[in-house]
Amino acid sequence: EDQVTQSPEALRLQEGESSSLNCSYTVSGLRGLFWYRQDPGKGPEFLFTLYSAGEEKEKERLKATLTKKESFLHITAPKPEDSATYLCAVQDTGGFKTIFGAGTRLFVKA
Amino acid sequence: DAGVTQSPTHLIKTRGQHVTLRCSPISGHKSVSWYQQVLGQGPQFIFQYYEKEERGRGNFPDRFSARQFPNYSSELNVNALLLGDSALYLCASSFSGGNEQFFGPGTRLTVL
Repeated sequence: EDQVTQSPEALRLQEGESSSLNCSYTVSGLRGLFWYRQDPGKGPEFLFTLYSAGEEKEKERLKATLTKKESFLHITAPKPEDSATYLCAVQDTGGFKTIFGAGTRLFVKA
Repeated sequence: DAGVTQSPTHLIKTRGQHVTLRCSPISGHKSVSWYQQVLGQGPQFIFQYYEKEERGRGNFPDRFSARQFPNYSSELNVNALLLGDSALYLCASSFSGGNEQFFGPGTRLTVL
């Protein structure tokens, strides 16, 4: 069964303290892995798509990487406005179903 | 450019009633997917539609149904509402379904 596990559940950082979020997945055939940011009471905001092991994508202070079993979202020198829930999702080769993890809630304190 | 729009924003129903939620995709997108998100959890896949046909269904009871119209907008219907149906219902659109999806703001459904 396709599954996505994110860790940690919550992460508290000081402003400027870099860290990484983990997304472990099992899927019969990976079409794509997605990262989203979600603010309270809002819909998820698309960040990145990764398609194959070794691929990396960057956007401002965020960098996403992908291996055959995991993806990492690295946050460099975070700011309080980076506080949000970060969701990881995988889509199988059929492309008909997207499975989300429970998310990592990130708190960045000034 | 307008993003994905959903209506209504909030909705309060009582057990046993039915509800219809609406979604308009980004212009040019032909696929719409529906998700249920309970507080503290990630979105859970309900349906995917592409070119008016159902292409995928998640593990939800038959009380949940959906359809897509010729203009690619979509409706999600839930019959015989239960307290456990209270959640944020999210609609996401994509060009063909098999790539990144863009989410609307969601409809907050409360069942009393």
